[in-house]
Amino acid sequence: DVKVTQSSRYLVKRTGEKVFLECVQDMDHENMFWYRQDPGLGLRLIYFSYDVKMKEKGDIPEGYSVSREKKERFSLILESASTNQTSMYLCASSFGSPRGKLFFGSGTQLSVL
Amino acid sequence: EDKVVQSPLSLVVHEGDTVTLNCSYEVTNFRSLLWYKQEKKAPTFLFMLTSSGIEKKSGRLSSILDKKELFSILNITATQTGDSAVYLCAGNSGGSNYKLTFGKGTLLTVNP
Repeated sequence: DVKVTQSSRYLVKRTGEKVFLECVQDMDHENMFWYRQDPGLGLRLIYFSYDVKMKEKGDIPEGYSVSREKKERFSLILESASTNQTSMYLCASSFGSPRGKLFFGSGTQLSVL
Repeated sequence: EDKVVQSPLSLVVHEGDTVTLNCSYEVTNFRSLLWYKQEKKAPTFLFMLTSSGIEKKSGRLSSILDKKELFSILNITATQTGDSAVYLCAGNSGGSNYKLTFGKGTLLTVNP
């Protein structure tokens, strides 16, 4: 089975802190994604990567950056966390197919106080 | 801008009922439509639809796509309490990125 692992299930940070969310997949997938999920807003794409060291902005990249130094790992970075970044963060990966079937991690519930 | 709209946003039924969840989409260079089930945290894949009029089926769940009218439905027959979840629909646009645009989801509650 494909496994997408997110390093933390729950995280509490203070405003202004630098926050790292880590995601690892074990199926040699080319594509990796970071979404955030908020009540009433659904899943929104923050960033994605289709190859090592490659990244593209999604729909809501402001306040975030990403890093993909190895194929299996995709990190989301909040340079200076703010309260409006309190959310559920979901990482996903997929094969290099245009059809888009994503495999999701279990999510990280981030609270910024 | 790509858009996916699901209806209803929430639904409460009794065990044994049949439900139909709706998804309409406006997606540039449409490639496929996907359905996911989200019970706790990670959405799990249900169906991927690429061709109009061909029903995909898995047990009590089935789904069909209408590319002319730009919508899809997900049917669940003989519902069980374990079907309670948020059901997500997503449209996949083509091009060099394999981006999915998600709807807001339908929260299905199945009462015993």
